[in-house]
Amino acid sequence: EAQVTQNPRYLITVTGKKLTVTCSQNMNHEYMSWYRQDPGLGLRQIYYSMNVEVTDKGDVPEGYKVSRKEKRNFPLILESPSPNQTSLYFCASRGGIFHEQFFGPGTRLTVL
Amino acid sequence: QKEVEQDPGPLSVPEGAIVSLNCTYSNSAFQYFMWYRQYSRKGPELLMYTYSSGNKEDGRFTAQVDKSSKYISLFIRDSQPSDSATYLCAMSVYGQNFVFGPGTRLSVLP
Repeated sequence: EAQVTQNPRYLITVTGKKLTVTCSQNMNHEYMSWYRQDPGLGLRQIYYSMNVEVTDKGDVPEGYKVSRKEKRNFPLILESPSPNQTSLYFCASRGGIFHEQFFGPGTRLTVL
Repeated sequence: QKEVEQDPGPLSVPEGAIVSLNCTYSNSAFQYFMWYRQYSRKGPELLMYTYSSGNKEDGRFTAQVDKSSKYISLFIRDSQPSDSATYLCAMSVYGQNFVFGPGTRLSVLP
């Protein structure tokens, strides 16, 4: 089944404790993105990647890192999480620049 | 002013009603327009997309874009309880950086 998977689905952590949210897609898509979704603000793009080793900042990249060492994986790294990074995070992938974007199921992160 | 504005709702309609969902935007460079549907506790899924001004129809759904007014709409005909979800508009200039509206929550009552 074609899908985007994220892990973990739920995470509660404390300020400053480094964490990684994994994202994997099995559709051989070139493009992958990370978004955060907050009430009243909608989805905001954090980072995106156009191919292996090619990444660029979205609208809200501060406090986040990404890497794209393999085509299928695009982990999101929070080196020192803070409470304002409490949010619902989505990973997405698509096969081309104007192709349909497929979203993962989301990761709900709480930073205390 | 936010780059993309959307009526927040929530919007409640009876089954069978015609629903109109709207977004306005400020960046005249947007050329790629999308509507996503998001069910509770799920990721968004693409409903419709269009590149140009005018109407695009797909079953009970019609997407309308008016670039001169910087306004897009999604119409749902014969709405069903299964249409109850949050609807997000999204736009892009070159198909890389996507800007989403905050979403409108729709409830279709049986």
